[in-house]
Amino acid sequence: DAKTTQPPSMDCAEGRAANLPCNHSTISGNEYVYWYRQIHSQGPQYIIHGLKNNETNEMASLIITEDRKSSTLILPHATLRDTAVYYCIVRVYNFNKFYFGSGTKLNVKP
Amino acid sequence: DAGVIQSPRHEVTEMGQEVTLRCKPISGHNSLFWYRQTMMRGLELLIYFNNNVPIDDSGMPEDRFSAKMPNASFSTLKIQPSEPRDSAVYFCASSLTRGQGPNEKLFFGSGTQLSVL
Repeated sequence: DAKTTQPPSMDCAEGRAANLPCNHSTISGNEYVYWYRQIHSQGPQYIIHGLKNNETNEMASLIITEDRKSSTLILPHATLRDTAVYYCIVRVYNFNKFYFGSGTKLNVKP
Repeated sequence: DAGVIQSPRHEVTEMGQEVTLRCKPISGHNSLFWYRQTMMRGLELLIYFNNNVPIDDSGMPEDRFSAKMPNASFSTLKIQPSEPRDSAVYFCASSLTRGQGPNEKLFFGSGTQLSVL
Protein backbone atom coordinates (compact mmCIF):
# COMPACT_ATOMS: atom_id res chain seq x y z
CA ASP A 1 0.00 0.00 0.00
CA ALA A 2 2.92 2.36 0.65
CA LYS A 3 3.66 2.83 -3.10
CA THR A 4 7.18 4.05 -2.36
CA THR A 5 10.64 2.46 -2.33
CA GLN A 6 13.49 3.77 -0.22
CA PRO A 7 16.95 2.43 0.66
CA PRO A 8 16.92 0.91 4.14
CA SER A 9 19.85 2.96 5.43
CA MET A 10 22.31 5.71 4.55
CA ASP A 11 25.28 7.37 6.20
CA CYS A 12 26.16 11.02 6.08
CA ALA A 13 29.00 13.04 7.58
CA GLU A 14 28.04 15.84 9.91
CA GLY A 15 27.93 19.17 8.10
CA ARG A 16 27.53 17.60 4.70
CA ALA A 17 24.35 17.47 2.64
CA ALA A 18 22.20 14.37 3.06
CA ASN A 19 20.37 13.29 -0.08
CA LEU A 20 17.63 10.74 0.54
CA PRO A 21 16.08 9.14 -2.57
CA CYS A 22 12.57 7.78 -3.00
CA ASN A 23 10.95 5.95 -5.91
CA HIS A 24 7.21 6.30 -6.47
CA SER A 25 6.81 5.06 -10.03
CA THR A 26 3.05 4.46 -9.78
CA ILE A 27 2.18 7.91 -8.47
CA SER A 28 -0.95 9.48 -9.91
CA GLY A 29 -1.16 13.00 -11.26
CA ASN A 30 -3.00 14.38 -8.26
CA GLU A 31 -1.04 12.63 -5.53
CA TYR A 32 1.41 14.53 -3.37
CA VAL A 33 4.76 13.40 -2.06
CA TYR A 34 5.28 13.91 1.67
CA TRP A 35 8.34 13.41 3.82
CA TYR A 36 8.27 12.71 7.52
CA ARG A 37 10.98 11.67 9.93
CA GLN A 38 10.94 9.75 13.17
CA ILE A 39 13.60 10.28 15.75
CA HIS A 40 14.01 7.32 18.05
CA SER A 41 10.93 6.67 20.24
CA GLN A 42 9.19 9.87 19.16
CA GLY A 43 6.17 10.35 16.92
CA PRO A 44 6.85 11.09 13.25
CA GLN A 45 7.46 14.72 12.38
CA TYR A 46 6.41 16.49 9.18
CA ILE A 47 9.27 17.79 7.03
CA ILE A 48 8.00 18.88 3.62
CA HIS A 49 5.65 17.98 0.79
CA GLY A 50 5.19 18.74 -2.91
CA LEU A 51 3.25 17.93 -6.06
CA LYS A 52 5.58 18.52 -9.00
CA ASN A 53 7.63 21.61 -8.31
CA ASN A 54 10.70 21.67 -6.12
CA GLU A 55 10.01 22.88 -2.62
CA THR A 56 12.16 24.34 0.14
CA ASN A 57 11.51 25.22 3.74
CA GLU A 58 13.55 25.82 6.84
CA MET A 59 14.16 22.12 7.33
CA ALA A 60 14.87 20.72 3.90
CA SER A 61 14.48 20.82 0.13
CA LEU A 62 12.40 18.45 -1.97
CA ILE A 63 13.38 17.73 -5.56
CA ILE A 64 10.78 15.90 -7.67
CA THR A 65 11.74 14.59 -11.10
CA GLU A 66 9.87 15.87 -14.11
CA ASP A 67 8.10 12.54 -14.63
CA ARG A 68 7.30 12.48 -10.88
CA LYS A 69 8.44 8.90 -10.57
CA SER A 70 11.05 9.73 -7.96
CA SER A 71 12.09 12.42 -5.53
CA THR A 72 15.00 13.39 -3.30
CA LEU A 73 14.90 14.95 0.13
CA ILE A 74 17.91 17.15 0.81
CA LEU A 75 19.09 18.15 4.25
CA PRO A 76 21.65 20.80 3.32
CA HIS A 77 23.85 20.62 6.41
CA ALA A 78 23.17 17.45 8.36
CA THR A 79 23.70 17.48 12.12
CA LEU A 80 23.80 14.62 14.61
CA ARG A 81 20.23 15.52 15.58
CA ASP A 82 19.10 14.64 12.05
CA THR A 83 19.79 10.97 12.74
CA ALA A 84 16.36 9.41 12.26
CA VAL A 85 14.19 7.24 10.03
CA TYR A 86 12.94 9.23 7.05
CA TYR A 87 9.67 8.24 5.41
CA CYS A 88 8.64 9.11 1.89
CA ILE A 89 4.87 8.93 1.51
CA VAL A 90 2.48 9.28 -1.39
CA ARG A 91 -0.75 10.73 -0.14
CA VAL A 92 -3.73 8.81 -1.39
CA TYR A 93 -5.95 11.37 -3.07
CA ASN A 94 -9.45 10.13 -2.37
CA PHE A 95 -8.89 9.36 1.28
CA ASN A 96 -7.13 11.39 3.89
CA LYS A 97 -4.64 8.62 4.57
CA PHE A 98 -0.90 8.53 4.96
CA TYR A 99 0.74 5.13 4.47
CA PHE A 100 4.21 4.84 5.93
CA GLY A 101 6.62 2.40 4.30
CA SER A 102 9.86 1.10 5.76
CA GLY A 103 11.72 4.39 5.48
CA THR A 104 15.44 5.13 5.33
CA LYS A 105 17.51 5.10 8.49
CA LEU A 106 19.86 8.07 8.18
CA ASN A 107 22.96 7.88 10.34
CA VAL A 108 24.76 11.20 10.67
CA LYS A 109 28.31 10.63 11.84
CA PRO A 110 30.77 13.09 13.38
CA ASP B 1 -0.07 24.78 21.59
CA ALA B 2 0.40 21.59 23.60
CA GLY B 3 0.34 19.35 20.58
CA VAL B 4 -1.31 15.94 20.46
CA ILE B 5 -1.45 14.47 23.94
CA GLN B 6 -1.54 10.74 24.54
CA SER B 7 -1.89 8.83 27.77
CA PRO B 8 -0.55 6.79 29.28
CA ARG B 9 3.02 6.90 27.98
CA HIS B 10 3.61 3.34 29.06
CA GLU B 11 1.14 0.55 29.80
CA VAL B 12 1.99 -2.91 31.04
CA THR B 13 -0.84 -5.38 31.38
CA GLU B 14 -1.53 -9.07 31.44
CA MET B 15 -3.04 -11.07 28.65
CA GLY B 16 -6.84 -10.97 28.74
CA GLN B 17 -7.09 -7.57 30.39
CA GLU B 18 -8.81 -4.59 28.85
CA VAL B 19 -6.57 -1.75 27.74
CA THR B 20 -7.70 1.79 26.96
CA LEU B 21 -5.44 4.30 25.25
CA ARG B 22 -6.37 7.96 25.18
CA CYS B 23 -5.73 10.84 22.85
CA LYS B 24 -6.40 14.56 22.89
CA PRO B 25 -5.92 16.07 19.42
CA ILE B 26 -4.71 19.59 18.71
CA SER B 27 -7.49 22.10 19.29
CA GLY B 28 -9.22 23.00 16.04
CA HIS B 29 -8.13 19.87 14.18
CA ASN B 30 -10.99 17.87 12.71
CA SER B 31 -9.26 14.61 11.72
CA LEU B 32 -7.80 12.06 14.07
CA PHE B 33 -5.76 8.97 13.28
CA TRP B 34 -4.62 5.94 15.26
CA TYR B 35 -1.44 4.19 14.16
CA ARG B 36 0.37 1.14 15.53
CA GLN B 37 4.10 0.63 15.18
CA THR B 38 5.99 -2.64 15.51
CA MET B 39 9.40 -3.77 14.33
CA MET B 40 7.85 -6.36 12.04
CA ARG B 41 5.12 -4.28 10.40
CA GLY B 42 6.29 -0.69 10.81
CA LEU B 43 3.69 2.06 11.11
CA GLU B 44 0.18 0.82 10.35
CA LEU B 45 -2.89 3.02 10.06
CA LEU B 46 -5.63 1.49 12.19
CA ILE B 47 -8.51 3.94 11.89
CA TYR B 48 -9.22 7.54 11.18
CA PHE B 49 -12.01 9.93 12.11
CA ASN B 50 -13.23 13.08 10.44
CA ASN B 51 -15.44 15.42 12.44
CA ASN B 52 -15.73 12.72 15.11
CA VAL B 53 -17.08 10.15 12.65
CA PRO B 54 -15.10 7.00 11.82
CA ILE B 55 -14.32 7.18 8.11
CA ASP B 56 -12.13 4.14 7.58
CA ASP B 57 -11.46 1.37 10.07
CA SER B 58 -10.11 -1.14 7.57
CA GLY B 59 -6.80 -1.23 9.40
CA MET B 60 -8.27 -2.38 12.71
CA PRO B 61 -6.83 -5.87 13.15
CA GLU B 62 -9.85 -7.61 14.61
CA ASP B 63 -12.95 -7.24 16.73
CA ARG B 64 -10.91 -7.01 19.90
CA PHE B 65 -9.98 -3.48 18.84
CA SER B 66 -12.43 -0.60 19.00
CA ALA B 67 -12.06 3.17 18.77
CA LYS B 68 -14.36 6.00 19.68
CA MET B 69 -14.35 9.75 19.38
CA PRO B 70 -17.19 11.10 21.54
CA ASN B 71 -16.21 14.73 20.90
CA ALA B 72 -13.69 16.82 19.02
CA SER B 73 -11.18 16.84 21.84
CA PHE B 74 -10.99 13.20 22.88
CA SER B 75 -10.56 9.73 21.43
CA THR B 76 -9.97 6.28 22.85
CA LEU B 77 -8.58 3.07 21.44
CA LYS B 78 -9.64 0.01 23.37
CA ILE B 79 -8.33 -3.54 23.22
CA GLN B 80 -10.45 -6.19 24.90
CA PRO B 81 -9.15 -8.78 25.58
CA SER B 82 -5.51 -7.90 25.08
CA GLU B 83 -2.98 -10.43 23.75
CA PRO B 84 0.84 -10.44 23.75
CA ARG B 85 0.88 -9.82 19.99
CA ASP B 86 -0.80 -6.46 20.64
CA SER B 87 2.43 -5.21 22.20
CA ALA B 88 3.50 -2.17 20.19
CA VAL B 89 3.73 1.60 20.25
CA TYR B 90 0.38 3.20 19.51
CA PHE B 91 0.42 6.70 18.05
CA CYS B 92 -2.38 9.16 17.74
CA ALA B 93 -2.19 11.94 15.15
CA SER B 94 -4.43 14.84 14.20
CA SER B 95 -4.76 17.21 11.28
CA LEU B 96 -6.91 19.99 9.93
CA THR B 97 -8.69 18.61 6.89
CA ARG B 98 -10.27 20.87 4.32
CA GLY B 99 -11.89 18.53 1.82
CA GLN B 100 -9.21 17.05 -0.42
CA GLY B 101 -6.90 20.02 -0.16
CA PRO B 102 -3.16 19.52 -0.43
CA ASN B 103 -2.05 21.03 2.80
CA GLU B 104 -3.05 18.52 5.43
CA LYS B 105 -0.16 17.66 7.71
CA LEU B 106 -0.27 15.04 10.40
CA PHE B 107 0.83 16.00 13.88
CA PHE B 108 1.72 13.01 16.03
CA GLY B 109 1.65 12.47 19.75
CA SER B 110 4.47 10.88 21.68
CA GLY B 111 2.85 7.47 21.61
CA THR B 112 1.85 4.84 24.15
CA GLN B 113 4.21 1.92 24.62
CA LEU B 114 1.97 -1.10 25.30
CA SER B 115 3.36 -4.33 26.69
CA VAL B 116 1.00 -7.28 27.10
CA LEU B 117 2.54 -10.05 29.18
